[in-house]
Amino acid sequence: GQQLNQSPQSMFIQEGEDVSMNCTSSSIFNTWLWYKQEPGEGPVLLIALYKAGELTSNGRLTAQFGITRKDSFLNISASIPSDVGIYFCAGRASGTYKYIFGTGTRLKVLA
Amino acid sequence: EPEVTQTPSHQVTQMGQEVILRCVPISNHLYFYWYRQILGQKVEFLVSFYNNEISEKSEIFDDQFSVERPDGSNFTLKIRSTKLEDSAMYFCAIELTIRTGGDGYTFGSGTRLTVV
Repeated sequence: GQQLNQSPQSMFIQEGEDVSMNCTSSSIFNTWLWYKQEPGEGPVLLIALYKAGELTSNGRLTAQFGITRKDSFLNISASIPSDVGIYFCAGRASGTYKYIFGTGTRLKVLA
Repeated sequence: EPEVTQTPSHQVTQMGQEVILRCVPISNHLYFYWYRQILGQKVEFLVSFYNNEISEKSEIFDDQFSVERPDGSNFTLKIRSTKLEDSAMYFCAIELTIRTGGDGYTFGSGTRLTVV
């Protein structure tokens, strides 16, 4: 089945640092989503990407839809303590309603 | 007020018992989904529901599972005879449109199901 490899698995960074994480797939996706999940909560949508090469920002967050359509990247600039959480990528292929989720990147920010 | 309300927030049930998880979207969305997340693991697709019927389901969604939208508002997931391995967070998700340029999923806050 389709798999999404997300890396890194976890990150410990200092407040103010920039963060990069990515997702790669063995198959092509038409849509990429990035979510953040905090303990005991459902995932919250951060950025949605619909076109290969697309670069979209949401405040300090920037995500890109890879040209090959098999990967996506999320960057967080100038991290703050409230950025702590698990970040998930999710991809959807054509002809399907479901999203495949990545394994998540656990981010911890040290003040 | 959240766009998607899920009840109960936490349910503990005996193995073999039936459970019904409920999802109430605020607005009239067309596409409904159930996902589950076993503790510490990734979010897994269970089923999608459109126009009052299942449009897609995963291998996890076996005969023990069913979904319905009984009154045009609530969207329910029923597990007929729960097993220990059904213990997980169950998330309802809604989507206004699946066309390009749509808004992605909105997830509810989840129901934590614990089977003992």
